[in-house]
Parts: sequence; structure tokens; C-alpha cells
Amino acid sequence: GEDVEQSLFLSVREGDSSVINCTYTDSSSTYLYWYKQEPGAGLQLLTYIFSNMDMKQDQRLTVLLNKKDKHLSLRIADTQTGDSAIYFCAEGGSGNTPLVFGKGTRLSVIA
Amino acid sequence: SAVISQKPSRDICQRGTSLTIQCQVDSQVTMMFWYRQQPGQSLTLIATANQGSEATYESGFVIDKFPISRPNLTFSTLTVSNMSPEDSSIYLCSVVVGGHEQYFGPGTRLTVT
Repeated sequence: GEDVEQSLFLSVREGDSSVINCTYTDSSSTYLYWYKQEPGAGLQLLTYIFSNMDMKQDQRLTVLLNKKDKHLSLRIADTQTGDSAIYFCAEGGSGNTPLVFGKGTRLSVIA
Repeated sequence: SAVISQKPSRDICQRGTSLTIQCQVDSQVTMMFWYRQQPGQSLTLIATANQGSEATYESGFVIDKFPISRPNLTFSTLTVSNMSPEDSSIYLCSVVVGGHEQYFGPGTRLTVT
């Protein structure tokens, strides 16, 4: 079945880069997503990548996709205290299909 | 993108009662999804709701416990019936926009005592 794995915790110093990793099993996934959840809040769509791409950059965010190894990463440059949150990786097919989520990585940014 | 609102934002309910959660979207969407996020956990899909047809439930979720309505293309409700403390969770609705962008509502935080 489908499975998405993430490490549970990451701690970085303010100003450093953060790299959150994710592996998935469904090779037919068309899109891969990163969501951010701040304490007490819902899920915010941060970015996503189409499966035929290997990189996508959006301001401080860089997504890398290794389709052969089914590995996805999210790099946050110049990490700020406001980036402290839980980051969820998710995979999905095309069109109106629900997503399969990882357990989330809790990012703590130390000032 | 899509702007999604949910009501109530949170509630504390007694065991054995029912709560209906509303989800409103600012644009017409074909499908809505209802997810549950138990404390400290990831999201689990409860059901997929199409307008004009019965919802499709995932394994472990049944219509009698989680009835869903989808009366039009911008609105859906999820009822949590005969609640027990194990139903304490965040319940989130989501929609797909533009074919692949999935947006979530702010969630309804339910505590069952």
C-alpha cells in the first residue's frame, strides 16, 4: 500500500538552512506536496512538485525530487523562528484524489 | 487558491452526543474530502464527498458514525455521531483546485468528555 515516511524531529539554528526529508512508496504519484502546520492551526499548502520535475524553487523554499529513489526533500534557506512548525509531506495522483500524508516533521528553530 | 471556512472552530462535547461540522468554500468544487487528525498524529482520510451522490468512506469509517451531506458545490457537513473520547481529534475538510492543488480548512477541534 501507499506509505510516506518522514523523520519526526529537526532542530536548527536561526539563519541556518533546514532540510526535511521524505520517502514515499507509490511510484504512480503525480504530485508531491509540502504542507506546514503551525500550533493550533490548519494545514497551509507550502509548495508542490510535479513528478516529472526534479527541482522547484520558490523564494526560500527548494524542493528536490529523486523519483528513482522515491525521495523528496524540502530545503528552507535562512530559517527563521517563524518557520517553527510541523511539516507534512504528502503524495497524490492527478485530479480529484485524496492525499496520503507522512507523520510530519516537527521543526524547531533555535534563536 | 480557495478560501475554506469551518464551523465550529472548536467544541467540547459529552459522550453519546453528536456534532455536525460545516465546511464552506468560496468557489464551486467537484469533490470535498474529510480528514481526521488525532492528537500528535498525521491526517487520515475519512471520506470523499461528491455533490449529488453518496460519500465514499475509507476502511474503518462508516456512514452511521460519520454521516456526510453535500447539498451543493460549495458546502458539506460531517456529523460525528454517538461520540466517545476516542473521537477527540481535529476534523478538516479539503478541496482540490486547479486539478491538483489541495487546500484545507482551518479545522474543527473536538474534545469529547
